[in-house]
Amino acid sequence: DQQVKQNSPSLSVQEGRISILNCDYTNSMFDYFLWYKKYPAEGPTFLISISSIKDKNEDGRFTVFLNKSAKHLSLHIVPSQPGDSAVYFCAASAGYGGSQGNLIFGKGTKLSVKP
Amino acid sequence: DTGVSQDPRHKITKRGQNVTFRCDPISEHNRLYWYRQTLGQGPEFLTYFQNEAQLEKSRLLSDRFSAERPKGSFSTLEIQRTEQGDSAMYLCASSLFDEQFFGPGTRLTVL
Repeated sequence: DQQVKQNSPSLSVQEGRISILNCDYTNSMFDYFLWYKKYPAEGPTFLISISSIKDKNEDGRFTVFLNKSAKHLSLHIVPSQPGDSAVYFCAASAGYGGSQGNLIFGKGTKLSVKP
Repeated sequence: DTGVSQDPRHKITKRGQNVTFRCDPISEHNRLYWYRQTLGQGPEFLTYFQNEAQLEKSRLLSDRFSAERPKGSFSTLEIQRTEQGDSAMYLCASSLFDEQFFGPGTRLTVL
């Protein structure tokens, strides 16, 4: 059973608009969440993270929101740019941050930003 | 470029052969991880080192798989008697604190 779920395999948005990528998790022991972006033939690139003691973390155009009661997090990209087109993975970890190993990843959402 | 590097980037082998992959982490990172990714899936955790100690292994890591990090720097992942089901992207990551930084991966194809 998947502990981290990204239910939308793909998302298409217009350049300049907001992209919202969603992620749900089932394990209440998860206390650290990360988003990665992946281009074809490359490894995942770290984007942004959030600890369970926060409900929002912002870095430039990227904001992650965490709703612990709903076991739901989302990544907002504003404004979206064509270079943001990639597969986005949500990942979660139990224990101290992500450094305990064993990041659990979702299956990813393919974002396409159209000019 | 001082990111995580992996070698080789691609490996094609015949079923039953042994293969070995190498990962060089970011130099000051003491934690090193191996993951496997198949088509349509996210990366799946295989094993984790802190310095030279292997601290955690996934159930995915069968007896045919072995990983080492002999001096706490680079790491190797060996697969013995490869099977077609081993075909995947093998990813290495390293970390100093919370965020794990990934290398470009080694794509293994078992014929």
